[in-house]
Amino acid sequence: EVQLVESGGGLVKPGGSLRLSCAASGFTFNDHSMNWVRQAPGKGLEWVASISRSGSDIYYADSVKGRFTISRDNAENSLYLQMNSLRAEDTAVYYCARDLGMYYTSGRLGYWGQGSLVTVSS
Amino acid sequence: EFVLTQSPGTLSLSPGEEATLSCRVSQSLSSSYLAWYQQRPGQAPRLLIYAASNRATGIPDRFSGSGSGTDFTLTISRLEPEDFAVYYCQQNGRSPPYTFGQGTKLEIK
Repeated sequence: EVQLVESGGGLVKPGGSLRLSCAASGFTFNDHSMNWVRQAPGKGLEWVASISRSGSDIYYADSVKGRFTISRDNAENSLYLQMNSLRAEDTAVYYCARDLGMYYTSGRLGYWGQGSLVTVSS
Repeated sequence: EFVLTQSPGTLSLSPGEEATLSCRVSQSLSSSYLAWYQQRPGQAPRLLIYAASNRATGIPDRFSGSGSGTDFTLTISRLEPEDFAVYYCQQNGRSPPYTFGQGTKLEIK
């Protein structure tokens, strides 16, 4: 069974940093591209970042470019999101999501974790 | 960049009825790159439909997708109580950014 478990969320002050982790199991982690998607309270879904199987191809939403860094450790079956210079508008539930495609990136988000809440407030 | 506009914002129907949800894209999109997701309250989103009309694994056949170009539709026939949720369309082109619509809330009438 595919499982994605996010951790690392919490309350942080504006300008602060936080690192989210996503522990993957139930599939061969390095066969799939991975993504972070966020959802502000009461709002819709916003794609945040994507990373290819090897980590060689990385993409960011304009809203987080230069502040967030996506990475992965295939030996540890883990995905990360380093978030710096956090703003109030970054407050959201952050979901880790696995690409449906095997060996290629499809952009179809076939499996999702339960999310980790990040609150940016003074 | 693609902008996805979903309508209606809220749809009120009764169990057993048929729901028709629309997703309009700001420019022509290959049907290969259009997906639909369901999000029940307090839960993570779930992939329902990919490539406009293909059901994801385990999705009941009362869910169907159609459309091409700039207009796409998600149809849910014979609504079940568990179908009342928020639905999002997404464009997943050759490379990111991946864009979601703002969502349609399907509520019980």
